[in-house]
Amino acid sequence: DTGVSQDPRHKITKRGQNVTFRCDPISEHNRLYWYRQTLGQGPEFLTYFQNEAQLEKSRLLSDRFSAERPKGSFSTLEIQRTEQGDSAMYLCASSYGGADTQYFGPGTRLTVL
Amino acid sequence: QQQVKQSPQSLIVQKGGISIINCAYENTAFDYFPWYQQFPGKGPALLIAIRPDVSEKKEGRFTISFNKSAKQFSLHIMDSQPGDSATYFCDYSGNTPLVFGKGTRLSVIA
Repeated sequence: DTGVSQDPRHKITKRGQNVTFRCDPISEHNRLYWYRQTLGQGPEFLTYFQNEAQLEKSRLLSDRFSAERPKGSFSTLEIQRTEQGDSAMYLCASSYGGADTQYFGPGTRLTVL
Repeated sequence: QQQVKQSPQSLIVQKGGISIINCAYENTAFDYFPWYQQFPGKGPALLIAIRPDVSEKKEGRFTISFNKSAKQFSLHIMDSQPGDSATYFCDYSGNTPLVFGKGTRLSVIA
């Protein structure tokens, strides 16, 4: 499968713990995006990278959140000191350039107890 | 931030019927109007998109129509099937990153 992959698919954690998610984009795509989706809502933009550079961050991305794309390939999203309000589906998408179609991964569903 | 005006929020259609979902936008500078389809437990996927130089685009049972004067674009699903049951989102950013509203939950019943 050459689509966008995300790992893990599900994560249950206790409040206050740190969690890290991984996204592997489509190989030739230079842009990588992170979105968050809560129940009954559309995906909300968090941040995006062009190659290894983080070009934009949403106000939703509090200082507990950090994202990296060290070699311009895969990306990680870390949430420190998780809160119950962080429970959501975290979606990754990639594209070749800004004007191209974004291809979404299956998401990582986070549940914070 | 601009507010998306997608309607209806939910829609129930009989199998074989026509599903119509509308999205109103504000910024006339936008040049790309996509619709995304999302099944439960999956990420969204681009279904069909249109640029404002055409008024309609058809791909199989899916048609997107664009009304520049009304600043609205619509998704029509002809001969709706139970497999079309999903949530549909328009993107009203016209750019990167994508900006979605709450979407329209479509249920096609037999």
